[in-house]
Amino acid sequence: EPEVTQTPSHQVTQMGQEVILRCVPISNHLYFYWYRQILGQKVEFLVSFYNNEISEKSEIFDDQFSVERPDGSNFTLKIRSTKLEDSAMYFCASSGTGGRNQPQHFGDGTRLSIL
Amino acid sequence: AQKITQTQPGMFVQEKEAVTLDCTYDTSDPSYGLFWYKQPSSGEMIFLIYQGSYDQQNATEGRYSLNFQKARKSANLVISASQLGDSAMYFCAMREFNQAGTALIFGKGTTLSVSS
Repeated sequence: EPEVTQTPSHQVTQMGQEVILRCVPISNHLYFYWYRQILGQKVEFLVSFYNNEISEKSEIFDDQFSVERPDGSNFTLKIRSTKLEDSAMYFCASSGTGGRNQPQHFGDGTRLSIL
Repeated sequence: AQKITQTQPGMFVQEKEAVTLDCTYDTSDPSYGLFWYKQPSSGEMIFLIYQGSYDQQNATEGRYSLNFQKARKSANLVISASQLGDSAMYFCAMREFNQAGTALIFGKGTTLSVSS
């Protein structure tokens, strides 16, 4: 069964450094998402992306965050000048269409640790 | 106000028994979808089941069923014949369709422990 893949599985970065989290969504999917889960807390929406532009973003997704689909397969989340509070599990997800009953399929996540 | 409330931080069940995980939601949008995801200790998020607000029947997927009570705004997940592999965190999530949004709003989750 096709799946969303994320790399790396664990990223350790010094505070203030830039980090890029990578995702390969399911190949025929059109909508892409990033979520984060701070340890022990609920999953929070960051951003959705469709047709090469952001379709929705949350308050968390401020100027230090950006997303990009640099080619036909990858979808990236960049965090500029990381902060300690950016430490979390970051999930990429994709869905086939924006259809109402379309589940978002999640990758296994990237655990980001900011030191 | 919380849009998704899961009041059970932890639930315990014996193997082969059924268990119900509670989820209540809050929305003024008449058109919405409710999703349940499973997160094992390894961390991945696995989609389990979907219920639309206009669906006439409760959703079922194998051993998973959704007890949808629209007037009470509840969408409880029922797992029948629990297995050891069902031990995980379970999240209820909602998407509000008339908001034209795509975000899933998650609850805080319920940890299910299945014992033999």
